[in-house]
Amino acid sequence: GQNIDQPTEMTATEGAIVQINCTYQTSGFNGLFWYQQHAGEAPTFLSYNVLDGLEEKGRFSSFLSRSKGYSYLLLKELQMKDSASYLCALTGFQKLVFGTGTRLLVSP
Amino acid sequence: EADIYQTPRYLVIGTGKKITLECSQTMGHDKMYWYQQDPGMELHLIHYSYGVNSTEKGDLSSESTVSRIRTEHFPLTLESARPSHTSQYLCASSEFEGKNTEAFFGQGTRLTVV
Repeated sequence: GQNIDQPTEMTATEGAIVQINCTYQTSGFNGLFWYQQHAGEAPTFLSYNVLDGLEEKGRFSSFLSRSKGYSYLLLKELQMKDSASYLCALTGFQKLVFGTGTRLLVSP
Repeated sequence: EADIYQTPRYLVIGTGKKITLECSQTMGHDKMYWYQQDPGMELHLIHYSYGVNSTEKGDLSSESTVSRIRTEHFPLTLESARPSHTSQYLCASSEFEGKNTEAFFGQGTRLTVV
């Protein structure tokens, strides 16, 4: 089975940088996804890590360390519209399993 | 743009009724998934399929059943709805596992059983 943990909630200020962590315990996986989900909406894709290291995509970056069972999503230059839930997910064995999700609140 | 559709978007139904939630995708994806999500809570995988005639149960036990007779269609059925089935059901699809094989989600079906 898989155990994927994230902090429940985080708060940050507009313009700041925030790091959302994801730790996991699994017997194996192909890659790690990050998704964004606004309240009442479907999740949308943010990033995908297969190899260890940093993947950068505009204001969003995601990091993976397989040896440490750890990933993070880094959001820069926070905007009010970034207030949402951020979901870490592992893909492998034909499944896509999501973590507990982190609710991010961005304040002015 | 994702071409995956769920119907209905909202459904209120009485206890004991049989219901089928529809999910269709036009991207030719082999892999399809059903998730259950309560408001503000995590996404739980309840069923998945990696191709026609393959269906597997997910990590969260569910009384629902699924079928995959055609690549593009992955319906979910509840034989006898109960209030405990009230939730949002999200369908997703993806290509084979590998780089950039993101899953695309439908808009979800919000089910209320009264």
